[in-house]
Amino acid sequence: DTAVSQTPKYLVTQMGNDKSIKCEQNLGHDTMYWYKQDSKKFLKIMFSYNNKELIINETVPNRFSPKSPDKAHLNLHINSLELGDSAVYFCASSPWVAGDGTDTQYFGPGTRLTVL
Amino acid sequence: GENVEQHPSTLSVQEGDSAVIKCTYSDSASNYFPWYKQELGKGPQLIIDIRSNVGEKKDQRIAVTLNKTAKHFSLHITETQPEDSAVYFCAAIRGGFQKLVFGTGTRLLVSP
Repeated sequence: DTAVSQTPKYLVTQMGNDKSIKCEQNLGHDTMYWYKQDSKKFLKIMFSYNNKELIINETVPNRFSPKSPDKAHLNLHINSLELGDSAVYFCASSPWVAGDGTDTQYFGPGTRLTVL
Repeated sequence: GENVEQHPSTLSVQEGDSAVIKCTYSDSASNYFPWYKQELGKGPQLIIDIRSNVGEKKDQRIAVTLNKTAKHFSLHITETQPEDSAVYFCAAIRGGFQKLVFGTGTRLLVSP
């Protein structure tokens, strides 16, 4: 009965590699997000998709590319990984109730990415 | 854009005491204020939220108050228990598909 799931939970890789993180939600939500949590626990949004359409695209390097094959999935692909990309990445989803972006967001368990 | 400040950064209390975490926001148009609890190794989980048309909301031992004039909101936890130990985040957002902005987090430690 997992609500928002992410794979993998841990990802250790070398600088310069390309990696992907997958996210799936079974809540029937229309909106999905990617957040980055740095070593100081600061949470910051990276992207948001509503019904497969990009609606929020923060100042994130072009090496990060989200892809939403359907509204239940939002994947994050990272090219040419750098040391500074090491962080915990959280996927989240929210329903379409208020219809203005202020609906409650439900977070996944996170993916800890370590770049060596 | 929105900016959310959160205090204190760490808070230690004895079991049974109350805990209060305070946040201020900068965008007067913000109208939704959730609070999240993050336990070690897990994702943030919503514990309570409040919208700008309400001044206070309570759910068992947890309450949130909102002062729109002063642009601050607070989380109150009564009768704290060791399992309340976690990092707590406040956040604020306004309509129009703006981003949810988080505070810097408060590490709460409840000692038995």
